[in-house]
Amino acid sequence: GNSVTQMEGPVTLSEEAFLTINCTYTATGYPSLFWYVQYPGEGLQLLLKATKADDKGSNKGFEATYRKETTSFHLEKGSVQVSDSAVYFCALLSGAGSYQLTFGKGTKLSVIP
Amino acid sequence: DTAVSQTPKYLVTQMGNDKSIKCEQNLGHDTMYWYKQDSKKFLKIMFSYNNKELIINETVPNRFSPKSPDKAHLNLHINSLELGDSAVYFCASSPNDRVDGYTFGSGTRLTVV
Repeated sequence: GNSVTQMEGPVTLSEEAFLTINCTYTATGYPSLFWYVQYPGEGLQLLLKATKADDKGSNKGFEATYRKETTSFHLEKGSVQVSDSAVYFCALLSGAGSYQLTFGKGTKLSVIP
Repeated sequence: DTAVSQTPKYLVTQMGNDKSIKCEQNLGHDTMYWYKQDSKKFLKIMFSYNNKELIINETVPNRFSPKSPDKAHLNLHINSLELGDSAVYFCASSPNDRVDGYTFGSGTRLTVV
């Protein structure tokens, strides 16, 4: 079956530090990959996506590259801000006809001034 | 305009009661979902409907019954509430191609006392 594994948190960083949240996946076929963000007390928002190998998704200074050879989709940001404090979820959608978005367990990021 | 709206946002109720959560989307999407998020932030799909037809029904107690009167609405009814049902419930929707993943509502925090 499909599965997503992401690094366990919580992660605490100082403002302007470099962020990496690791994500690896197992899937049949060629999945689409996503990062969602959940700010405190809110629902999930799509942060970025990639639909095929070597695609790079980017948004709000965050980036992730779809690496088929390592089955990874690591999230990075060069300089985090306090407003980036949230829970980040890696997710995949595999193959045609699949209706289920499979999530990782989430990584809580806290950025301190 | 809110794309996916859920009501109520908070729900506190006693064990044994029956309650409903409503969800509506104005995006014209064909598929709607219910997810449960536990206290550790883990997201698990419960149900999915495509054009009012049930297509995913994960291992969920039959006290949970989804109802889709039309493709813009997917309500969740829960009978005989138990303490373990306390969680945040998210509604989501997607177009059939799901290229952009899902659009989520802001969640309903259910507390059973």
